[in-house]
Amino acid sequence: DGGITQSPKYLFRKEGQNVTLSCEQNLNHDAMYWYRQDPGQGLRLIYYSQIVNDFQKGDIAEGYSVSREKKESFPLTVTSAQKNPTAFYLCASSIEHSFPDEQFFGPGTRLTVL
Amino acid sequence: GNSVTQMEGPVTLSEEAFLTINCTYTATGYPSLFWYVQYPGEGLQLLLKATKADDKGSNKGFEATYRKETTSFHLEKGSVQVSDSAVYFCALSAPGPNDYKLSFGAGTTVTVRA
Repeated sequence: DGGITQSPKYLFRKEGQNVTLSCEQNLNHDAMYWYRQDPGQGLRLIYYSQIVNDFQKGDIAEGYSVSREKKESFPLTVTSAQKNPTAFYLCASSIEHSFPDEQFFGPGTRLTVL
Repeated sequence: GNSVTQMEGPVTLSEEAFLTINCTYTATGYPSLFWYVQYPGEGLQLLLKATKADDKGSNKGFEATYRKETTSFHLEKGSVQVSDSAVYFCALSAPGPNDYKLSFGAGTTVTVRA
């Protein structure tokens, strides 16, 4: 079955540590996205990538970094510079980066900073 | 800029009750509109969409009609089940400089009791 996988499902980090969240898709989609979800709020875009070896900042990129070395993979690193990293992180993809744009979501990773 | 406003929750209903979740939007041009559903602990799934005025999206007994005159895309279901308990997000994608981006509402939590 085609889809998006995210790992791990739960992640715990000590303050001051960097941590990397995995996102893999086998849908052959060109575009991939990272969102952050906080309780009672909608989704906020962190980074997006339209094509391999290219990515752009979203609305809340500070304290995060990404790479897109393969079409299938779009890992997100939460760095120690992110002041409030505890949140639910969602990865998504779409066929291409154009309007209209239906996005397909992974199951999410819940990050908790101890 | 583009934005989505949806009714605040939480909403608690009995089984077989009628559900309406209001959603209004502000956008340049002619957006595409979406409803996503998030079941507990999971990512988002596309529930339905509409890409032009007067279109009706429908899926799993849910319906929403794209009303350009009232800039609305209200979600309705005639008879809810316990399995419909979830968070529902209204979203839009609009042409222009931000057409890479889905703009999400804050989400409405719906709980259906047996």
